[in-house]
Amino acid sequence: QSALTQPPSASGSPGQSVTISCTGTSSDVGGYNYVSWYQQHPGKAPKLMIYEVSKRPSGVPDRFSGSKSGNTASLTVSGLQAEDEADYYCSSYAGSNGYVFGTGTKVTVL
Amino acid sequence: QVQLVESGGGVVQPGGSLRLSCAASGFTFSSYGMHWVRQAPGKGLEWVAFIRYDGSNKYYADSVKGRFTISRDNSKNTLYLQMNSLRAEDTAVYYCAKDDEAAATCDYWGQGTLVTVSS
Repeated sequence: QSALTQPPSASGSPGQSVTISCTGTSSDVGGYNYVSWYQQHPGKAPKLMIYEVSKRPSGVPDRFSGSKSGNTASLTVSGLQAEDEADYYCSSYAGSNGYVFGTGTKVTVL
Repeated sequence: QVQLVESGGGVVQPGGSLRLSCAASGFTFSSYGMHWVRQAPGKGLEWVAFIRYDGSNKYYADSVKGRFTISRDNSKNTLYLQMNSLRAEDTAVYYCAKDDEAAATCDYWGQGTLVTVSS
């Protein structure tokens, strides 16, 4: 049950796009279309932003999009806004091993 | 609206025990699986345990297997985490989260309860 690998940080200016990668194995990310992305502001609980690789819950702006290729999933935030500055975590279903989270990425809006 | 409220956190000595609770409302608790997820101070999220809607299946992270037990009381709309043989590395904010079983995701989260393991 090793954590999924994410870059520690990412940044972009307002209006620009930022893409975060999430690399796992064939036992988690690559084996199932059950990748989720969560946004977490300091001192707050995580919030679901993307599920099943690319689906958005009601209320999540369409600036947030997800994709997957092989063992790597990605989250793209387009049209960056100040309120998008937060930590982002991916997670994946891992079969009999349960679930696994990513190492987290701090997104900074310059 | 969905509400999840954790309680039971506090300071405990290494080797001690603690039981966390998560009171659920705003949805049919008995129809959904539930997770515990933790976050050590300044660190990332770590999945801890999952229990199916009827308690028939339970899954644990290797780091807590044999020490932690997840359970639920559907008559009380409450989720539990019994934590035994606690270690310093178990210090974290513990969140309960509702599962969307069809999507294998945590769609709603509580605000968390802090567990500190220290002598």
